[in-house]
Amino acid sequence: DAGVIQSPRHEVTEMGQEVTLRCKPISGHNSLFWYRQTMMRGLELLIYFNNNVPIDDSGMPEDRFSAKMPNASFSTLKIQPSEPRDSAVYFCASSLRFVGYTFGSGTRLTVV
Amino acid sequence: KQEVTQIPAALSVPEGENLVLNCSFTDSAIYNLQWFRQDPGKGLTSLLLIQSSQREQTSGRLNASLDKSSGRSTLYIAASQPGDSATYLCAVGMIKAAGNKLTFGGGTRVLVKP
Repeated sequence: DAGVIQSPRHEVTEMGQEVTLRCKPISGHNSLFWYRQTMMRGLELLIYFNNNVPIDDSGMPEDRFSAKMPNASFSTLKIQPSEPRDSAVYFCASSLRFVGYTFGSGTRLTVV
Repeated sequence: KQEVTQIPAALSVPEGENLVLNCSFTDSAIYNLQWFRQDPGKGLTSLLLIQSSQREQTSGRLNASLDKSSGRSTLYIAASQPGDSATYLCAVGMIKAAGNKLTFGGGTRVLVKP
């Protein structure tokens, strides 16, 4: 298995633009998680899905953030409109029920 | 709300010395606890997973203990090597409705000097 695959690896965009981050979880995993990592706040859970259903989105900072999981092999995290304070590394992770997590390599987002 | 704290935030040791990394959590009703390693600019790699019913897990030079009642876990790395330099994160798993929600500590940044 290729692990959790995230794209793009790096994204630089202008303030106000829409940004879409993509994630392909490990085949067979039924839970998917989106995290954001910054120097100031560390790793924060934004939202997680179980069997493609959003379970807890309390970590999504604002309505500008939205996430979808249309099927078991794909998820997106969208920011519209983007702001400079959204600059961070965004990680996707997947797991099989209560067994340990596997993280993707992350997307480094810079909003200028 | 679960809070996870890691002390110290940074640690520098000479090669060969044993490393002791601490993690504490406020809610002892955990499902499991994991230790991760993160290299600069990279994702997280799972090192050890301890179920709530276990007291420790070992993998090579790594040993992690768990004392659920006192809300503590310790990661020991024996005979440290420069390649062990990285940030180590502790994460506590709580069952929430469906799925295992992890809460992370702030990490301990380790530098092993040759």
